[in-house]
Parts: sequence; C-alpha cells; structure tokens
Amino acid sequence: DAKTTQPTSMDCAEGRAANLPCNHSTISGNEYVYWYRQIHSQGPQYIIHGLKNNETNEMASLIITEDRKSSTLILPHATLRDTAVYYCIVRVPMNTGNQFYFGTGTSLTVIP
Amino acid sequence: EAGVAQSPRYKIIEKRQSVAFWCNPISGHATLYWYQQILGQGPKLLIQFQNNGVVDDSQLPKDRFSAERLKGVDSTLKIQPAKLEDSAVYLCASRKWEFDEKLFFGSGTQLSVL
Repeated sequence: DAKTTQPTSMDCAEGRAANLPCNHSTISGNEYVYWYRQIHSQGPQYIIHGLKNNETNEMASLIITEDRKSSTLILPHATLRDTAVYYCIVRVPMNTGNQFYFGTGTSLTVIP
Repeated sequence: EAGVAQSPRYKIIEKRQSVAFWCNPISGHATLYWYQQILGQGPKLLIQFQNNGVVDDSQLPKDRFSAERLKGVDSTLKIQPAKLEDSAVYLCASRKWEFDEKLFFGSGTQLSVL
C-alpha cells in the first residue's frame, strides 16, 4: 500500500540543514506530497505539503522534482528537538475523501 | 484550540480479553479516523467516519474489531477478543471535512497484548 520509499535512518549535526529524501515514482497528477513527523510517544504532526511547486513555511522547505517522482524535505537549522521519525506521504483523492498513505518513515537523529 | 484527545494512554491486557479506546476529535471536525501503528511501521487506516456514519472500514478486521461514533462527535474503538498481533499504537485523527487539507492526530493509545 505504501506509495513512498525513504531511507530508514539519518543523522544530522545540530545547526546544520537536514535533507530528507523521498521517492514516490508512481505518484499521479492530482496526488499531493505531505510530510509529517512523529516524536516519540506522540501522534504524527503536520509539517508541509505540496503538489508540484516548491513550498516553504516556518518549519521546513519542500523541494519536489520536476517529474514529481521524488522530493526532499529540508529542515534548515536542525535542533535536538527535531529528532523524530519523518513520514513522506502521498495524499490520494478518493470518493470517501483524501486518503493518506504512510510509508515506514525516516528516523532522524540530530547529534549535538 | 484543543487537539484530538485519546484515552487511555497505555493499556496492557492478556490475549482473548477485550479492550476499548476512546477518542474526542477537534471541535467541529466531521471526519474521524482510527489508525493502527505497529512498531517500526507507519500508521495504517482502520476505519473512517463522516459525522456518525462509516464511510470506509475495508481495512478493519471485523471479526474482532468494532467502532462507533454514535452522536457524530467522540468515538470508541473496541477489540474483542484481542490477539498478540494487536499490540500496537492506536491513533485517532480528525479533520474538518473529508477533503480538508490537514489531518490532526491524537497522541494515541499504546496497547500491549500479553
């Protein structure tokens, strides 16, 4: 069911940019890319989403390739609080509403 | 605004026992979901409600799992009888309507079946 593939784990030095890649090679034209993160013992938290243009908000930037088959989430200045599992998700419009398909995520560890 | 509330936070039961989880979505959110998250995996949809009606329960193991949202607000998910493989975190999520952009999650109930 997962429509995305991500590396299992990554490390990043505190203060540096964290770049988290995601492949979604079977994505369709009306399917959005979302990123959520899950800090230990909490529910997933929304970060950012996009269709085909690059997006930026106060938390992160999302870079989507022109062919839309992959994307990168960028945390510009990682802090220890950014240690979490990051999920790249494809949002699929269905008759019952927009459905989110989670993969297995990338466990990001920010190192002091 | 208050987030999605879930209880209990943790539950330990023995196999073949029954268990129930409760969820109160964000006020005004018509669409409510229950997800199952097994350790090391992403959340998997179990059931979706629109107000008090079920719109998708195709992934719900109906021989042992049941869910209701009688008044279109809070919801209960039940497992009876529980199996060892039901050990997981059960997440409730809500959104204003089924095509809304963002999905908001609760902190989940961690179930251990011994």
